[in-house]
Amino acid sequence: AQSVTQPDIHITVSEGASLELRCNYSYGATPYLFWYVQSPGQGLQLLLKYFSGDTLVQGIKGFEAEFKRSQSSFNLRKPSVHWSDAAEYFCAVLYAGNMLTFGGGTRLMVKP
Amino acid sequence: DAGVTQSPTHLIKTRGQQVTLRCSPKSGHDTVSWYQQALGQGPQFIFQYYEEEERQRGNFPDRFSGHQFPNYSSELNVNALLLGDSALYLCASRISMDTQYFGPGTRLTVL
Repeated sequence: AQSVTQPDIHITVSEGASLELRCNYSYGATPYLFWYVQSPGQGLQLLLKYFSGDTLVQGIKGFEAEFKRSQSSFNLRKPSVHWSDAAEYFCAVLYAGNMLTFGGGTRLMVKP
Repeated sequence: DAGVTQSPTHLIKTRGQQVTLRCSPKSGHDTVSWYQQALGQGPQFIFQYYEEEERQRGNFPDRFSGHQFPNYSSELNVNALLLGDSALYLCASRISMDTQYFGPGTRLTVL
């Protein structure tokens, strides 16, 4: 069965510091992978997606993610974090073409 | 262009009652999915509707049912509410295999 693991439940970084959020997936076929961000009490906003091709994908708000098939990972990165990036981040894999399977999320806190 | 909209924003019900949540997809989108997000967890897939039929269903009991209308809008119905049904219910829409776009959600509290 497909699954998505986000090992870090909480991460705190200083404003201006770099960020990496980890995501590992278990899926037999070629995955379609996504990162979403959720601010408190809000819905999910798509940051970026990987379907095929270049394994380094660029998204909105200065985020990027790298797909590594050998490690079954799709880690999210940002070179310099802003206070407005504080939110919950979810990694997801598209299963059977229709349903998204989400990880448990990583809550990002940004120190001034 | 309006994105995915959901109503109501918040809802409070008591155990045993029934509830209906509504979703209007993004313009041009023909496929609607529903997700349940319990507090502190990632969203879980409930079901997906396409061409007014349930196309796929997640691991949710029959108390959860849905409907899609000819204008692609959708409803989620939950019968015999349990305390554990308290959650944020998210609707997502897309065109065929494209990316899913999420609405702001409906916060359901069951007392």
